[in-house]
Amino acid sequence: QVQLVESGGGVVQPGRSLRLSCAASGFTFYNTGMHWVRQAPGKGLEWVAVMWYDGSQKYYADSVKGRFTISRDTSKNTLDLQMNSLRAEDTAVYYCVRDRNGGLFDPWGQGTLVIVSS
Amino acid sequence: EVVLTQSPGTLSLSPGERATLSCRASQTISSNYLVWYQQKPGQAPRLLIYGASSRATGIPDRFSGSGSGTDFTLTISRLEPEDFAVYYCQQYGSSPPKWTFGQGTTVEIK
Repeated sequence: QVQLVESGGGVVQPGRSLRLSCAASGFTFYNTGMHWVRQAPGKGLEWVAVMWYDGSQKYYADSVKGRFTISRDTSKNTLDLQMNSLRAEDTAVYYCVRDRNGGLFDPWGQGTLVIVSS
Repeated sequence: EVVLTQSPGTLSLSPGERATLSCRASQTISSNYLVWYQQKPGQAPRLLIYGASSRATGIPDRFSGSGSGTDFTLTISRLEPEDFAVYYCQQYGSSPPKWTFGQGTTVEIK
């Protein structure tokens, strides 16, 4: 079955960097769009970034543009999120999500928690 | 930019009752890209309804979605204990590509 497993979360100081990774299995990763979505503690969902199904395009939420970079390795079936210049407001659970039909998020990984704090 | 506003913020109901959740968009959106998710405490969200009214695989038929234009509704016909959760609507806009969520509606046991 489709499985998405995130890793790389942890506690990091403001201004520092962190790299999240998502291991995908159970579907043809190389031709599937993939997203990162985050959820601050006790808050709602916020879309963060997408990589197009063919890897040709990437888009970011305004809140992370210029600081976060989405990438993938189709040989390893992994999706990454490089997060630089982290801020306290980036504290959240980060979910790796498969794109279906260009607008659906299905399924979601279990998430990895990032805490930005001094 | 499209803003999705969900109401009410919290719905207090008893098992067996009917739940009606609203999602209103700040401008007309395509029904094709209006989606509902369910999130239980400590879990990731899961897809419930897509295209405003189509149930995802494995979703019971007590869940239904409707609406068009700017007003969309998720209805749970008879609440089961496992339905008490937070529900989010979401839409996709293409110029530029962006995915936005409503703030969520909590369905809690009365």
